[in-house]
Amino acid sequence: GEDVEQSLFLSVREGDSSVINCTYTDSSSTYLYWYKQEPGAGLQLLTYIFSNMDMKQDQRLTVLLNKKDKHLSLRIADTQTGDSAIYFCAEKTDSWGKLQFGAGTQVVVTP
Amino acid sequence: DGGITQSPKYLFRKEGQNVTLSCEQNLNHDAMYWYRQDPGQGLRLIYYSQIVNDFQKGDIAEGYSVSREKKESFPLTVTSAQKNPTAFYLCASSLGTSADTQYFGPGTRLTVL
Repeated sequence: GEDVEQSLFLSVREGDSSVINCTYTDSSSTYLYWYKQEPGAGLQLLTYIFSNMDMKQDQRLTVLLNKKDKHLSLRIADTQTGDSAIYFCAEKTDSWGKLQFGAGTQVVVTP
Repeated sequence: DGGITQSPKYLFRKEGQNVTLSCEQNLNHDAMYWYRQDPGQGLRLIYYSQIVNDFQKGDIAEGYSVSREKKESFPLTVTSAQKNPTAFYLCASSLGTSADTQYFGPGTRLTVL
């Protein structure tokens, strides 16, 4: 079955780049997503990438997709304290829209 | 302002009681979803609805029920049959096409006393 894995924790200094990694197992994934969750809040869509793309850049965010290794990463440039949150990777495998989520990576930004 | 609203934000219930969580969207989305989130885990799909008057079970539907009588509304009832209902519940909606993305509400934290 499908499985999405992420490292659980990342600590980064303010101003540095953060890289959050994700691996998935379903080669039929069509879209892959990154969501951000702040404490006590819902999920905010950050960005997504279509499976036939290798890279997508959106301001401070860069998504890299390696389909051969089923590896997805999110790079946040110039990380700020407001970037402290839990980041979820998710893959869409069914045509109607079902998402499979990873357990989330807690990112802590230190001054 | 377009978006998804969930109410209440915090909900307490006694064991053995049913409770209903509200989810409303004004995005004109066809599809709506309910997820459950437990600490240190990803989101798990409870129920989803692709169109009015139709809904399907997700991965953990036991002990839950839903209805979809209106496009804008997708309430979730947590029944007394749900063995461990304390969790954070998230509602989402999407256009319902193959290329769409899901947008989430702010969530309801349910605590069983």
